[in-house]
Amino acid sequence: GQQVMQIPQYQHVQEGEDFTTYCNSSTTLSNIQWYKQRPGGHPVFLIQLVKSGEVKKQKRLTFQFGEAKKNSSLHITATQTTDVGTYFCAGDTSGTYKYIFGTGTRLKVLA
Amino acid sequence: DTGVSQDPRHKITKRGQNVTFRCDPISEHNRLYWYRQTLGQGPEFLTYFQNEAQLEKSRLLSDRFSAERPKGSFSTLEIQRTEQGDSAMYLCASPAGGARDEQFFGPGTRLTVL
Repeated sequence: GQQVMQIPQYQHVQEGEDFTTYCNSSTTLSNIQWYKQRPGGHPVFLIQLVKSGEVKKQKRLTFQFGEAKKNSSLHITATQTTDVGTYFCAGDTSGTYKYIFGTGTRLKVLA
Repeated sequence: DTGVSQDPRHKITKRGQNVTFRCDPISEHNRLYWYRQTLGQGPEFLTYFQNEAQLEKSRLLSDRFSAERPKGSFSTLEIQRTEQGDSAMYLCASPAGGARDEQFFGPGTRLTVL
């Protein structure tokens, strides 16, 4: 079946360090979305990537979509304690708006 | 507040009972999604609607699960003969559509099956 995996599963960083999470799909994606979920909260949309090789930036966050549209990454520069949470990618694997969420990367930032 | 509401927020039931959850999406959004999330996992796709039409249903869903969206507005998710394995957070999402297609999630209904 369609699978979207993320690595690492957990990441603890010191405040100010960088953080990267990787998302890999077993099938080509039509597009990919990234969400952040705080403990006890619901997923909150961060961004959507559609084009092969696309790179988008939001302040300290940089999102990339692979050339083959099967992988993606989220990089946070100089983490802050407010970045704590679980980051999920969600891929549309069939172009039918059916989104498969990744396994998530839980980020902890130590002050 | 995303503008998506779900009711109830918490539901405790005994094994074998039926439960029904409701989602009120953002009114101008045509699509509506149901997901299930267990602790430490990502949201698991259950089904989605385009207006009142149910377009996709996960093969993981047993026949005990059914969803409706009469008139293309609110939606209900019913679980019949609940099992302990059904305990989870049930999330509803209302996508904006278009190029951004941001999914606005509701607060979820937490189901506990005893």
